[in-house]
Amino acid sequence: DGGITQSPKYLFRKEGQNVTLSCEQNLNHDAMYWYRQDPGQGLRLIYYSQIVNDFQKGDIAEGYSVSREKKESFPLTVTSAQKNPTAFYLCASTPAKGSGEKLFFGSGTQLSVL
Amino acid sequence: AQKVTQAQTEISVVEKEDVTLDCVYETRDTTYYLFWYKQPPSGELVFLIRRNSFDEQNEISGRYSWNFQKSTSSFNFTITASQVVDSAVYFCALSEWGADKLIFGTGTRLQVFP
Repeated sequence: DGGITQSPKYLFRKEGQNVTLSCEQNLNHDAMYWYRQDPGQGLRLIYYSQIVNDFQKGDIAEGYSVSREKKESFPLTVTSAQKNPTAFYLCASTPAKGSGEKLFFGSGTQLSVL
Repeated sequence: AQKVTQAQTEISVVEKEDVTLDCVYETRDTTYYLFWYKQPPSGELVFLIRRNSFDEQNEISGRYSWNFQKSTSSFNFTITASQVVDSAVYFCALSEWGADKLIFGTGTRLQVFP
């Protein structure tokens, strides 16, 4: 079945540690996105990529980094510079760049700080 | 500036009641898209509907219906004869023409009790 796979489902980060969240899609979609969800704040865009080897900052990119070396993969690294990383992280994709495209979502990763 | 407001943080109903989730949006564009997504307890957001700004026809899909009114900048979602399986967080979202991202509201948590 085609879809978006996020792993792990739960992740714990120690002080000063970088952690990487995985996102893989087999939908052959060009565009991929990372959103952060906090209680009562909805979804906020961290980074997005519309083509391999290219990505753009979203609204809350500070403390995060991404790469897009393959079309299917868009990993997100939460660096030690992100002081409040506890949140639910959602990866999404769309067939192509542009407004009006509906997003396909993964099942998310819950990141917590130890 | 674009913005989506979902003023209802949480709604509780008893099964078989009708319930309406409100969504008010702000945009300067004349061409835009509106969306509703459902987030069940599993965490993955599920696409429900997309509307473009030129199509003000109301839509009905089974127990779901949507009322789009440009005059009041609203895109409300009604569930008729609610069921326990409707319990979820519902997000309204806006995408302006040419924009690379969706702007989400803060979501409405719907709890349907048996």
